Amino acid sequence: EAGVAQSPRYKIIEKRQSVAFWCNPISGHATLYWYQQILGQGPKLLIQFQNNGVVDDSQLPKDRFSAERLKGVDSTLKIQPAKLEDSAVYLCASSSGQSPQHFGDGTRLSIL
Amino acid sequence: AQSVTQPDIHITVSEGASLELRCNYSYGATPYLFWYVQSPGQGLQLLLKYFSGDTLVQGIKGFEAEFKRSQSSFNLRKPSVHWSDAAEYFCAVGDRGTYKYIFGTGTRLKVLA
Repeated sequence: EAGVAQSPRYKIIEKRQSVAFWCNPISGHATLYWYQQILGQGPKLLIQFQNNGVVDDSQLPKDRFSAERLKGVDSTLKIQPAKLEDSAVYLCASSSGQSPQHFGDGTRLSIL
Repeated sequence: AQSVTQPDIHITVSEGASLELRCNYSYGATPYLFWYVQSPGQGLQLLLKYFSGDTLVQGIKGFEAEFKRSQSSFNLRKPSVHWSDAAEYFCAVGDRGTYKYIFGTGTRLKVLA
């Protein structure tokens, strides 16, 4: 089966600019997750979707981050405006029921 | 508070030597338990999981892990390390109701030829 697809792989922007990441989960996976992984740390959950509804966004900095999952398939994560501390790898994962989460290769974001 | 602790930030072993990576967790109830591996520039790949039953679980690439409820531990082991095992290893706990994961900070493994 095809894995979780993410794009772009790399993005460099200046602070205060906006950026968007895209994720296409494994076909049939109802649950989709966005994680932030800062260098030297483990992934931290930003938001969890079940189909096209938000299950948990308690760790999402809502003043600058937004995410949507239209039609319960693809998802986008946006940052506007970006801050220096947003430099990280943004990982998307998907799962079905209690099956383990499958991860994409991530988007490495650098803020100048 | 719920947390996952991986006490070893870096570990260096010689190729062919045995390996044990430690993981301790603090959680209200017995969670799902996972080990993932991450190579540079890649996402996380599942090595093995514990849901219930036999506390010694086998995974891919010759890895195994043992769940010890009394110690709240889920240590990862491999009897003979290969140079290709050099990577970062993450332990995670998963909530049985929400399927949310909490990850440890990772252990970076270096393998000497």
